[in-house]
Amino acid sequence: EVQLVESGGGLVQPGRSLRLSCAASGFIFDDYAMHWVRQAPGKGLEWVAGINWNSGKIGYADSVKGRFVISRDNAKNSLYLQINSPRAEDTALYYCAKGQQWHFDHWGQGALVTVSS
Amino acid sequence: EIVMTQSPATLSVSPGERVTLSCRASQSVFIDLAWYQQKPGQSPRLLIYGASTRATGIPARFSGSGSGTEFILTISSLQSEDFAVYYCQQYNNWPPLTFGGGTKVEIK
Repeated sequence: EVQLVESGGGLVQPGRSLRLSCAASGFIFDDYAMHWVRQAPGKGLEWVAGINWNSGKIGYADSVKGRFVISRDNAKNSLYLQINSPRAEDTALYYCAKGQQWHFDHWGQGALVTVSS
Repeated sequence: EIVMTQSPATLSVSPGERVTLSCRASQSVFIDLAWYQQKPGQSPRLLIYGASTRATGIPARFSGSGSGTEFILTISSLQSEDFAVYYCQQYNNWPPLTFGGGTKVEIK
């Protein structure tokens, strides 16, 4: 059974940093692209960043480019999102999602990030 | 960036009715289109990919059609567990991958 478990969410002050982690199990992690998708309170889904199986292709939404960094450790079956210089508008539930081609066939339960002073 | 537009924003329907949801892309995405269902307090679930292929375990009452810029998600006979928000997503051209704004299917 595919499982994706996010951790590292919480309250962060504007301009500080936070790192989200996603522990994956139940599939061959380094066979698949992985993504972060977020959802602000009461809003729709927004793709944040994606990384292919060997980190050779990485992409970001314009809203986070230059501030967020996605990475993965295939030896640890883990995905990461480094959130730098967060803003109030980055407040959201952040989902880790397994890529199948470039859509998402499994999702974690999400990690809540609240940006506030 | 490819902009995805869903309509209507909200749909009020009765159980047993046939439901048709629309998704339009600002440029052709061929058939690189997925649909997701999200119930309150839950993570999204993949329903359809490749515009018309049902994901594993998805009931046959869900079907997808379309190509290019116009896509449809049909629920042939709405069940009580189908009341949710539905999102389309294009994956033809990235970055970025983009979602539509969602259609909420609510009880009439």
